[in-house]
Amino acid sequence: DTAVSQTPKYLVTQMGNDKSIKCEQNLGHDTMYWYKQDSKKFLKIMFSYNNKELIINETVPNRFSPKSPDKAHLNLHINSLELGDSAVYFCASSPRKLAGDSNYGYTFGSGTRLTVV
Amino acid sequence: KNQVEQSPQSLIILEGKNCTLQCNYTVSPFSNLRWYKQDTGRGPVSLTIMTFSENTKSNGRYTATLDADTKQSSLHITASQLSDSASYICVVSAMRGGATNKLIFGTGTLLAVQP
Repeated sequence: DTAVSQTPKYLVTQMGNDKSIKCEQNLGHDTMYWYKQDSKKFLKIMFSYNNKELIINETVPNRFSPKSPDKAHLNLHINSLELGDSAVYFCASSPRKLAGDSNYGYTFGSGTRLTVV
Repeated sequence: KNQVEQSPQSLIILEGKNCTLQCNYTVSPFSNLRWYKQDTGRGPVSLTIMTFSENTKSNGRYTATLDADTKQSSLHITASQLSDSASYICVVSAMRGGATNKLIFGTGTLLAVQP
């Protein structure tokens, strides 16, 4: 199936731990993103990568670091997890950079629910 | 400040009925507006994308309208089905310098369709 897939779907971990969330897309898209959805269901962009180049970083703490081994993967590493990091993290991809072309679309993964205890 | 506000926050309707969701935005300069459907525990799925010059766009039983003058959009769902129960998110794209835009997400409207 062509899709954006994230693993794991659920992640429960203790404060202070380091964890990673993996994302893969087989759509041939050029750009991948990470979004954080908090308890108020508000989606906020964290990172986007195009051709292994960081395009957007919305003042995310440096404990979060995206890693893109290739065009089809964008993993999210989180160091020293804090309670406030608990949220659902969504990976997404699009055919090109966030340009003025309105005909491209985003494809989202199903999300990773991170719970920090 | 770029903002996207949606109303109502939640809505309950009976199966078969129609409903309309609202989105007001203060995003400038405007690039395009999207409506997404997000099922519980799933990622958002695109329903429509509209540019400044488009007033209405349909996708099956979903019809989105855009008034760029008043900066308002609506999503009308016709003959609702139980599977329409989801969060509906309005997303506005703001143009920035260069080739990158910024997406501003609304907080969504939670729709529950009851039999």
